[in-house]
Amino acid sequence: GAVVSQHPSRVICKSGTSVKIECRSLDFQATTMFWYRQFPKQSLMLMATSNEGSKATYEQGVEKDKFLINHASLTLSTLTVTSAHPEDSSFYICSARAERLAGFYNEQFFGPGTRLTVL
Amino acid sequence: GEDVEQSLFLSVREGDSSVINCTYTDSSSTYLYWYKQEPGAGLQLLTYIFSNMDMKQDQRLTVLLNKKDKHLSLRIADTQTGDSAIYFCAESSPYNTDKLIFGTGTRLQVFP
Repeated sequence: GAVVSQHPSRVICKSGTSVKIECRSLDFQATTMFWYRQFPKQSLMLMATSNEGSKATYEQGVEKDKFLINHASLTLSTLTVTSAHPEDSSFYICSARAERLAGFYNEQFFGPGTRLTVL
Repeated sequence: GEDVEQSLFLSVREGDSSVINCTYTDSSSTYLYWYKQEPGAGLQLLTYIFSNMDMKQDQRLTVLLNKKDKHLSLRIADTQTGDSAIYFCAESSPYNTDKLIFGTGTRLQVFP
């Protein structure tokens, strides 16, 4: 099946620093990737939708200057948390949509997530 | 508004059936989904149902949709220890089918 990886799986950083999280589709091309945020015991919240070669579309309430998204190729999207603060600590999950794979046409394939802790 | 709710925890004995429930608020959703999340792994799509269907069965999984009550359920027959995971229901936003609105997840624990 389609595999999506994320790197790193876990990161701890100091307040004020920036952290980059990578999301890769390993065996398919993803024209669209999605970034979610999950708080403990809460649902996944969509942060932004990223299309290859164009600017990401952010959900209401998500600061685009805070969460920089780059989708430079059909297999890689990155999320950079700039000037991170403790309230940015969360579980960040990406997904990728493969429009031509067999199965459900609109299926999103999810990465395993990245746990960010800001001290 | 868009809101999806699930109970947080379910415990069942191996071999019994599990029923995980979900309520949603937007009756315009086109698709409703069930995802499984295991530790260290990404969410896996288990099954989905189109909004004009009442029921869908796929091997041990049965999805029931009650549009009138905006209630979705997932029944797992002959539950196994390998079914222990967090199960999320989700609906697609009628305004943007790319946008999935997830429930809080139900942690299913299967004991021998």
